[in-house]
Parts: sequence; structure tokens; C-alpha cells
Amino acid sequence: SQTIHQWPATLVQPVGSPLSLECTVEGTSNPNLYWYRQAAGRGLQLLFYSVGIGQISSEVPQNLSASRPQDRQFILSSKKLLLSDSGFYLCAWSVTLGRSGANVLTFGAGSRLTVL
Amino acid sequence: QQQVKQSPQSLIVQKGGISIINCAYENTAFDYFPWYQQFPGKGPALLIAIRPDVSEKKEGRFTISFNKSAKQFSLHIMDSQPGDSATYFCAASIGNFGNEKLTFGTGTRLTIIP
Repeated sequence: SQTIHQWPATLVQPVGSPLSLECTVEGTSNPNLYWYRQAAGRGLQLLFYSVGIGQISSEVPQNLSASRPQDRQFILSSKKLLLSDSGFYLCAWSVTLGRSGANVLTFGAGSRLTVL
Repeated sequence: QQQVKQSPQSLIVQKGGISIINCAYENTAFDYFPWYQQFPGKGPALLIAIRPDVSEKKEGRFTISFNKSAKQFSLHIMDSQPGDSATYFCAASIGNFGNEKLTFGTGTRLTIIP
């Protein structure tokens, strides 16, 4: 069965410090990978998605970047954190349900980032 | 811009009652409409989904009602239980056999009181 691991679960960082959140998927190959941010009362905002190694698409301009060094590894980074980067970050992967083409997203447990 | 509007933002329902969450969309090309359930401190998980070729889909106590002409769909939770207390997100996407991305609503925090 497929599993998704995301870490660290919680992180408290000072403004201006770097960030690295990591996500790995097991039990599948060539998944689509996503980073979402969830701010209070604002739903799920897609930050980055990747359809393959080294292929990253950014949905919104921001202080963050993403990389996919391996097929099942997705990393969210920042060189200098801002207060506004605080939030709940979710990694997800997807599969296509055969002929239906449905995009079933499976989320990780999330990483709670607090920037002070 | 592709948007999915969700209401209400929060909902309190008595145990045993019916919880109803509504979503409306703009892009008529959307053809896949899932609902996700999220418990505090956890990632969202797929609850139930529907395609626009049917007007209703039921799985246990959870039902999606879909109105294509009105571009609206809703989640009904029958016999609501305290364990249903969670945040619910509707979403929509255009099926493209692989790389389509979901557009999410802003979420509804549901609380079931005894």
C-alpha cells in the first residue's frame, strides 16, 4: 500500500532563518506531488506541484521554493523565512483513476510552521 | 479564474441531525467534485466524490447532491455524530487523465453537539 511521510511535524523558526520541509511517498512510482499551505480560515492553497523529477510548477509567487531530487521525494524550502510564512504545510500525491481520469489526492499529516 | 465557493464557514448541528454544506463553482468545464474531511492536526482525506453525469451519490450516511444547471453541489451528513466533527472541504477539477489540479473551497468547520 502507498504511504506518505512528511516531516518535521512541528517547527518554530525565527524570521530570516532557512526552512526545509521534506516529503516522501512509498509504494508508488512517478506520482504527481504537491505542496499546499493551509492558513486559518483560508482553505487549501496550492503552492507547488511536480509531475516528475526536476519538474516544478509554482502556483503563487512567494518566498518559498520546491525541489524534487528523486521520484518520490519532494522538498519545500526557503532561504529566509517571513512572519507570513507561518501556517500548516501539507504534502500530497495523486494518482489517476484509470479511464475516469479522476485526480485522487492523498495528503500527508502536515507540518505546522511558526515563524517568530 | 477558477473558483469554488463554500458555505457556511462554520456549522453546529445537534447529534442525530442533518448537516448540509454547500458549494458553488463557476467553471463549467469542471467534471470531478470530491469532498475532503480533515480532523484537527491531520491532513485532509477523501470522503466522497461525484461526477456530473449523476445527480446524487450516497455512501453510508454521506450523500453528495449535484445540480449541474445551477453549478452547485452539496454534502449531506445524515444522523450526524460527534465523530463527524471536522473541517470539510469541497473541491473541483477538470479530468485530464493525470495532471489536473484540484481547486478547493475555503472549508466548513462542522461541530456536532450531543
